[in-house]
Amino acid sequence: TQLLEQSPQFLSIQEGENLTVYCNSSSVFSSLQWYRQEPGEGPVLLVTVVTGGEVKKLKRLTFQFGDARKDSSLHITAAQPGDTGLYLCAEGSSNTGKLIFGQGTTLQVKP
Amino acid sequence: NAGVTQTPKFRILKIGQSMTLQCTQDMNHNYMYWYRQDPGMGLKLIYYSVGAGITDKGEVPNGYNVSRSTTEDFPLRLELAAPSQTSVYFCASTKGVTYEQYFGPGTRLTVT
Repeated sequence: TQLLEQSPQFLSIQEGENLTVYCNSSSVFSSLQWYRQEPGEGPVLLVTVVTGGEVKKLKRLTFQFGDARKDSSLHITAAQPGDTGLYLCAEGSSNTGKLIFGQGTTLQVKP
Repeated sequence: NAGVTQTPKFRILKIGQSMTLQCTQDMNHNYMYWYRQDPGMGLKLIYYSVGAGITDKGEVPNGYNVSRSTTEDFPLRLELAAPSQTSVYFCASTKGVTYEQYFGPGTRLTVT
């Protein structure tokens, strides 16, 4: 059974601080996506990573995919209140088409 | 394009009642998914489909059924509603697991 774990579950920080969120799997990822969700809305895609060791940047967000493709991290530099939300990782299987999500990290950035 | 549409947006059911949540996409995506999300939590996969006529169970399929007779539609059926099915339900579609999932606006269901 696939198991996707995110940590921490909740993070409350001050504006300007840096943070890292982690996503780990019990099996090798085919592909991994990071989403951000705001209250009352569906998740919105931030990035997709497919290659072990891959690093992608999206403004102040840096995404890393582990060499063994079993873990990933999201690093936010100089967090802003607009970064507040639920951050979700999702693992996709190219063989089955199955897509499952982690339990999410709730980020609160205080001004 | 309307993207992914879901109806209804809100629904209150009594224990033991049944209902169908509708989901339609107009992007010609083969892959469609039903998730449920409890407060402050991630999304749990209920059922998914990789094409018309093909469906498969996700992580939490008990108490639900789906069908996929066309590429566009992927309805989710709740039989004998229970309080544990109180949740927000999201339908999503994509052209492949490495591509962006597009989500509907969600259905907020309460079973009392």
